[in-house]
Amino acid sequence: NAGVMQNPRHLVRRRGQEARLRCSPMKGHSHVYWYRQLPEEGLKFMVYLQKENIIDESGMPKERFSAEFPKEGPSILRIQQVVRGDSAAYFCASSPDRDREFFGPGTRLTVL
Amino acid sequence: SQQGEEDPQALSIQEGENATMNCSYKTSINNLQWYRQNSGRGLVHLILIRSNEREKHSGRLRVTLDTSKKSSSLLITASRAADTASYFCATAPDNNDMRFGAGTRLTVKP
Repeated sequence: NAGVMQNPRHLVRRRGQEARLRCSPMKGHSHVYWYRQLPEEGLKFMVYLQKENIIDESGMPKERFSAEFPKEGPSILRIQQVVRGDSAAYFCASSPDRDREFFGPGTRLTVL
Repeated sequence: SQQGEEDPQALSIQEGENATMNCSYKTSINNLQWYRQNSGRGLVHLILIRSNEREKHSGRLRVTLDTSKKSSSLLITASRAADTASYFCATAPDNNDMRFGAGTRLTVKP
């Protein structure tokens, strides 16, 4: 059973462009969490999704950020009109039952 | 792949007792972090200890780091039922990518 996969691992964008981060959960996992990590800081929760539903988006910035987890395919974290402050590592985790999370390797976003 | 490995995988104690969880890792690190996850919720950051630190306290939490043994421990003193959760360690190797363990599930019985 392959682990949680994220791609791309590294993403470079210029200010104003869009960034799309993908997360493929482990087989059989229907819960996905997204986190952001700034340098030398801990993870900050962003959003929790189940298939086709957003359960908790209390950690998502109100503007420019959106997330989805469609019935088929990976979960997508989308950042529109990126700014330098969006540069961070973005981690997703998946879970079969809301109790245990399994983390992906992360996507490092750099905004020039 | 996950680098940090917690043990035990599950721990059950009585309220008031201390709980100790351990984490081992493989490569050199910049820092090590401990997180808690309550059922159905995202991770909550508990404490970060840098590679040049040996011990750190935060309330009822005490974290130690032994870089020579590539291990860390999280001690929760005077546990409460509300401490029931899964606890994860995460390491930041020199290239700054974080790696998580599979977690320890702590149950504190009232």
